[in-house]
Parts: sequence; C-alpha cells; structure tokens
Amino acid sequence: EPEVTQTPSHQVTQMGQEVILRCVPISNHLYFYWYRQILGQKVEFLVSFYNNEISEKSEIFDDQFSVERPDGSNFTLKIRSTKLEDSAMYFCASKGDRIIYEQYFGPGTRLTVT
Amino acid sequence: EDKVVQSPLSLVVHEGDTVTLNCSYEVTNFRSLLWYKQEKKAPTFLFMLTSSGIEKKSGRLSSILDKKELFSILNITATQTGDSAVYLCAVYNAGNMLTFGGGTRLMVKP
Repeated sequence: EPEVTQTPSHQVTQMGQEVILRCVPISNHLYFYWYRQILGQKVEFLVSFYNNEISEKSEIFDDQFSVERPDGSNFTLKIRSTKLEDSAMYFCASKGDRIIYEQYFGPGTRLTVT
Repeated sequence: EDKVVQSPLSLVVHEGDTVTLNCSYEVTNFRSLLWYKQEKKAPTFLFMLTSSGIEKKSGRLSSILDKKELFSILNITATQTGDSAVYLCAVYNAGNMLTFGGGTRLMVKP
C-alpha cells in the first residue's frame, strides 16, 4: 500500500541553524501539507501546497518557514533559523484531489533544537 | 477561529468493554470530519464523515456525525489491548486544512 515517507526520522540542530525536512508524498496525490505537534499538544496545521504554490498557511508559518517541491516527488519544509520552540514532531500529509478529504500522514520527523 | 473539542481526555477500560469517544466542533464552512488513530507516531486514518446520520463502520469501530448538533462519536466495541492509542478528531473546512482536537487517550487493560 502506498504511503507517505519522511526523512530524517529525528533531527537534532542548534538554535539558529537551518533545517530541511523531507517528505515523499503518495505518488498520485496533488495536495500536500505540513503539520507539527509539540510534545503533549495538539496537531497543528502549518501549510498546504497545491499546483506548486502555497494555498493556505497558518499564523505559525511565518517568514522563517518555507516549502518547496523541488522535483516530481519530494516536498520539503525549511526552517531558516531554528528556535527552541520549533522543537516538535513535524508531519507531512498528502491527499488525492480536491473532492477527497482523507489526508494520509507520514511517520513524522522529530526535530530537537538545542 | 475553528475549534474542535474532544472528550474525555483519557479513558482506561478493560478488554471487552465498549467505549464511546466524543468530538464537538465549531467550524466555518464545514466540509467533513475525520477520525484518526495515533499510536506512536503518525496519525492513521480511520473514518471520514460528511453526511449526518450515516454510520461508518469498520470491524469493531463505528462512527456517526450529527451536523445539526455539531458533534461526532466514535464507538469501539469489544476493545482489545491493540486499541490503546490516542484517537484524534479533525475537521476539514473550506480553507483546505484540518483542525485537530486535543485527542482522547485510550488505554485498554488486559
């Protein structure tokens, strides 16, 4: 069964460093998402991406964040200058098309900022 | 602001018990409600509900949506230890994003 994959599974970085989290969505999906979950808290929406552009973003997704689909398979989240409060589990998700609502989640990348 | 509230926060039952998990929501331009099971890492999709009153069923799990009263329930019958997880409710709005509730942590004891 096709699945969303994410790398790395765990990333440790120092405050102020840039990180890139990588995702490979399900191959025929058209909509892509990033969510984060701070330990013990709710899953929070960050950004949605369709047709090579951001379609929606939350207040969390400020200028420090960017997303890209550099080729036909990868979908990346970049954090330019990490802060301690960026420590969280980051989930990538994808869905098939506009009228299908089920989003399928990857296993997540645990980001630890020290 | 869209809001999704789940109750109870946590629940401990014994194998064989039946549980009901609740999800209420306040969302502008509601499209659908989704239930996910989160064990160690990624939420895994369980159900999507769009219409009121139509029960979705998968094995021992079932769910129903009430769009008038703005809530959904997830039932698990004959619980097993493998059902232990956090169950997440999320609502999809016209803005193309999911708003999640805080989850219900279910522990099933042997």
